[in-house]
Order: sequence, then structure tokens, then C-alpha cells
Amino acid sequence: EVQLVESGGGLVQPGRSLRLSCAASGFTFDDYAMHWVRQAPGKGLEWVSGISWNSGSIGYADSVKGRFTISRDNAKNSLYLQMNSLRAEDTALYYCAKGTGYSSGWYDYWGQGTLVTVSS
Amino acid sequence: EIVLTQSPGTLSLSPGERATLSCRASQSVSSSYLAWYQQKPGQAPRLLIYGASSRATGIPDRFSGSGSGTDFTLTISRLEPEDFAVYYCQQYGSSPMDTFGQGTKLEIK
Repeated sequence: EVQLVESGGGLVQPGRSLRLSCAASGFTFDDYAMHWVRQAPGKGLEWVSGISWNSGSIGYADSVKGRFTISRDNAKNSLYLQMNSLRAEDTALYYCAKGTGYSSGWYDYWGQGTLVTVSS
Repeated sequence: EIVLTQSPGTLSLSPGERATLSCRASQSVSSSYLAWYQQKPGQAPRLLIYGASSRATGIPDRFSGSGSGTDFTLTISRLEPEDFAVYYCQQYGSSPMDTFGQGTKLEIK
């Protein structure tokens, strides 16, 4: 059974940093691209960042470029999102999602999300 | 960056009726790399359609997707009570640089 479990969310002050993690199981992690998608309270889905199977191809939404860094550790079956210079508008539920190809593809599995709240 | 615009924002229908949801892209979506997701309150999104028209595993055949280029449609042939939810289209490419539409809320009339 495929499982994606996010962790690392919480309350953080504006300008501070936070690191999210996603633990994957039930599939061959290093065969697939992985993504972070967020959803602000009462709002729609926003793609945040994605990473190919071997970290050779990485993309970011303009809203987070230069502040967030995605990475993965295939030996640990884990995905990460380092979030720096956090802003109030980064407040959201952050989902980890599994792609269906080496570099992208649609998302066939999602985690339940970890909540990030940026507030003083 | 491809921008996806979904319409209508809210669709009010009754069970048994047919639902037609639209997703328009600001530029052509290559190889029909277009997916649809359903999201219910408090739940993660669920994949319905990929490749514009292929149903995901376990998705009932009342759900169908069509379109190409810049215009795509999700059709639910006969609405069941469990189909009332928010629906999102998504463009994905050959590299990790994806976008979602703003969503269509399908509500009970």
C-alpha cells in the first residue's frame, strides 16, 4: 500500500524557516518524480515545487522561487521542502504527492498534509 | 507558465443531472498532459482523469474527460450524491513545472 506521510509543519514567525518532510512507502521511491502542493485555508490547490527521480530536474512556482528548496533522499525514501523567509501568505496545508513518471506525470497518490502557519 | 482557467466557479445541480466542467489553458497543453482531481472537505485530492481522457483506477465510468490543445472538459453523466465536491484541472509536463486551475465547486441544488 502506497503511503505518504508529511511532517514538520507548525506555527512559525514571519521571516523564519521551516523544513517539511515526506516519508514514502509502498512503492519504489527512486522511480518517480515527487511534488509539493499547498492549499491555503478555504482556497484552491497551488503547485509549489517538484523534483525528478534523480534530482536532476527541479521546478518551483514563482511565488516561492529563491525562498524554498526541494530535495530528496532516495536511500531514506524521503522528500523535503526547506522553506526560508516565510511570509503570511505561505500559510497553508502542504501536501506531498507522487508523480507517475521519472520527471513529472500526473499525481496518483497524495499524503494527508502538514499545516504551516506563519504568524507573529 | 501555463495558466488554467476553470468555469464555472460554482455549478448547482441536482442528483441525476449531467455536469459539464470546463478548463481552458492560456497556451496549448502538449500531448494532452491534463488531469482532473476531485476534493471533498477535509480530504486530500483524488485523481479522476489523466491524459485528458483516461480514467484512473477505480473511477466510475460516469466520469469522462475530453479535449485537446487549450480546451478541456470533465463530464459527469449522472450525478450521484457523493459527486458533490470541488474539481480541479492540472497541467503537467515533461519536467516538474505544473499548474492547477482555481477549481469548480459542484454543489447540490
